[in-house]
Amino acid sequence: QVQLVQSGAEVKRPGASVKVSCEASGFTFTSPYMHWVRQAPGQGLEWMGFFYVAGGTTGYAQNFQGRVSMTRDTSASTVYMELSSLTSEDTAVYYCVREPSGGTFYFDYWGQGTLVTVSS
Amino acid sequence: QSALTQPRSVSGSPGQSVTISCTGTSSDVGGRNSVSWYQQHPGKAPKLIIYDVIKRPSGVPDRFSGSKSGNTASLTISGLQAEDGADYYCCSHAGTFYVFGSGTMVTVL
Repeated sequence: QVQLVQSGAEVKRPGASVKVSCEASGFTFTSPYMHWVRQAPGQGLEWMGFFYVAGGTTGYAQNFQGRVSMTRDTSASTVYMELSSLTSEDTAVYYCVREPSGGTFYFDYWGQGTLVTVSS
Repeated sequence: QSALTQPRSVSGSPGQSVTISCTGTSSDVGGRNSVSWYQQHPGKAPKLIIYDVIKRPSGVPDRFSGSKSGNTASLTISGLQAEDGADYYCCSHAGTFYVFGSGTMVTVL
């Protein structure tokens, strides 16, 4: 069965960076697009960007341009999301999500979420 | 890239129907058939319940249905059940990015 297993919770100081991993299993890793979505405490969902696993291309939301980087390790079936210059407003649960293939435009599987807390 | 507009909350008694609206623009909801809906229970990851405006993934009860008119998409829950109490989010592709709705809390009275 499809599984997306994310790395554990992180606590970071303002100005630091965080790197969250997402290990995929149960499907052909290079088929889909992988996205990242975050949710601040008590708030709604916010799309951050995508990573096309097969081609290595990325697309980032305007709010995160210059501050986010999405990468992959194909041999480990893992995608990564790194966010830099953290502020308290980046405190949120970060989800990796799967878009089944290019052009499907929906998210059928979600990771369990990784809580990132930014605090001095 | 503003969030799509959803009502903050809706409520209904068991067995009743409730409808959640999701209003965007011609650049997102109105211009594409790529609206999806997600259900989120407290402390859990969201779950896909509707995609391509009207389609239900396997395993999602048929009391959940989607529709769209102009720049507004809607999710209807017919025959409301206690386990339907959750937050619901719409989402639309918008060319080079995605935008989520502001979220709606459904309360089963």
